[in-house]
Amino acid sequence: AQSVAQPEDQVNVAEGNPLTVKCTYSVSGNPYLFWYVQYPNRGLQFLLKYITGDNLVKGSYGFEAEFNKSQTSFHLKKPSALVSDSALYFCAVRDEPGGFKTIFGAGTRLFVKA
Amino acid sequence: DTGVSQDPRHKITKRGQNVTFRCDPISEHNRLYWYRQTLGQGPEFLTYFQNEAQLEKSRLLSDRFSAERPKGSFSTLEIQRTEQGDSAMYLCASSRGGSVHSSYNSPLHFGNGTRLTVT
Repeated sequence: AQSVAQPEDQVNVAEGNPLTVKCTYSVSGNPYLFWYVQYPNRGLQFLLKYITGDNLVKGSYGFEAEFNKSQTSFHLKKPSALVSDSALYFCAVRDEPGGFKTIFGAGTRLFVKA
Repeated sequence: DTGVSQDPRHKITKRGQNVTFRCDPISEHNRLYWYRQTLGQGPEFLTYFQNEAQLEKSRLLSDRFSAERPKGSFSTLEIQRTEQGDSAMYLCASSRGGSVHSSYNSPLHFGNGTRLTVT
């Protein structure tokens, strides 16, 4: 069965500094990987997804994610953090043996300090 | 794209009562999902439909929970004999169909959820 781990409950970064939110996954087949963001009192929003063959994918709000097959990781990155990026971030995975079910990580809370 | 709509936004009920939630997905999406989320945690998969067929149900889901999608459009999630441990945010999401690969690549579009409080 597919699974995803987000090893950090919380990430703190100063505004203007680069940020990384970590995600590792376990799948039986080819991975389909996603990042979602949840702002306070708002619903989950899709941020970006892995595109087969692209080890660095770009998404909304200046975010990007780096796929590493050997390390089974899909870390979320942004070159310069904004205070408005403060939110809860979830990594999610599907694999073909698992059908279209999407499994989410426990989430990482990002705090960006001005 | 009018988004995924969930009703009600909030539900307070007494232990032992039955509750039913409704979800209206994005109209051209053929897959519909239900998740449960507790404070500060990730969404926990409950079940999903492809058109009107319920393809998978989480083994963690007790038989007090049932979901339907009778005409392949809106869906309902019913919880019978509610317990305090059922208190959570119940999220509905939908995704687009198409080719097999594009279906696996299709992200979920979430509604704003129904917050259930069991007293």
